[in-house]
Amino acid sequence: GAGVSQSPSNKVTEKGKDVELRCDPISGHTALYWYRQRLGQGLEFLIYFQGNSAPDKSGLPSDRFSAERTGESVSTLTIQRTQQEDSAVYLCASSMAEKTQYFGPGTRLLVL
Amino acid sequence: QKEVEQDPGPLSVPEGAIVSLNCTYSNSAFQYFMWYRQYSRKGPELLMYTYSSGNKEDGRFTAQVDKSSKYISLFIRDSQPSDSATYLCAIKGGSYIPTFGRGTSLIVHP
Repeated sequence: GAGVSQSPSNKVTEKGKDVELRCDPISGHTALYWYRQRLGQGLEFLIYFQGNSAPDKSGLPSDRFSAERTGESVSTLTIQRTQQEDSAVYLCASSMAEKTQYFGPGTRLLVL
Repeated sequence: QKEVEQDPGPLSVPEGAIVSLNCTYSNSAFQYFMWYRQYSRKGPELLMYTYSSGNKEDGRFTAQVDKSSKYISLFIRDSQPSDSATYLCAIKGGSYIPTFGRGTSLIVHP
């Protein structure tokens, strides 16, 4: 595809359940970012992958959050034991090295 | 003080007006300046990218950077209802991770 894709587009889950969010970056983009956007708020950086380097996990809010990336392709963000405060839009972006980022449409997560 | 400050609005203007959107930042090491537009229930899309002081124009959009004042602006001429969206500034220094403002909600009414 031409752009960054994310799935699912919407996810409703119960408190305490685990969720997995997927990101397919633009082909050839070596860098991949995950952000969280709470209602009416800016983008909160979560994690950054660049090629085969160790990811920058400095933005992950707790150890319930983790992410993986297979080479320079798909990434999965996992939230364990979800809490209501995890409700937000989770955005993925990709870029060529340190160039400008291109965003996916996001996954809207609602934790009941 | 946050690294990037942006008034959340909403900013409501009539169609055809000139819109001015602004961000201030605190870190003089920031060198790269971006504006994104985000429609409701969509991801942000890049509008403008610049790395120097001065103006950069693209159609109805002009990005302006004043590094001495740590102030950036996005001007929209002849605003249209289709410009109604949230506009996010993003600023980057040596780090690969940009810092985003919280976004300004713009409403252009016919």
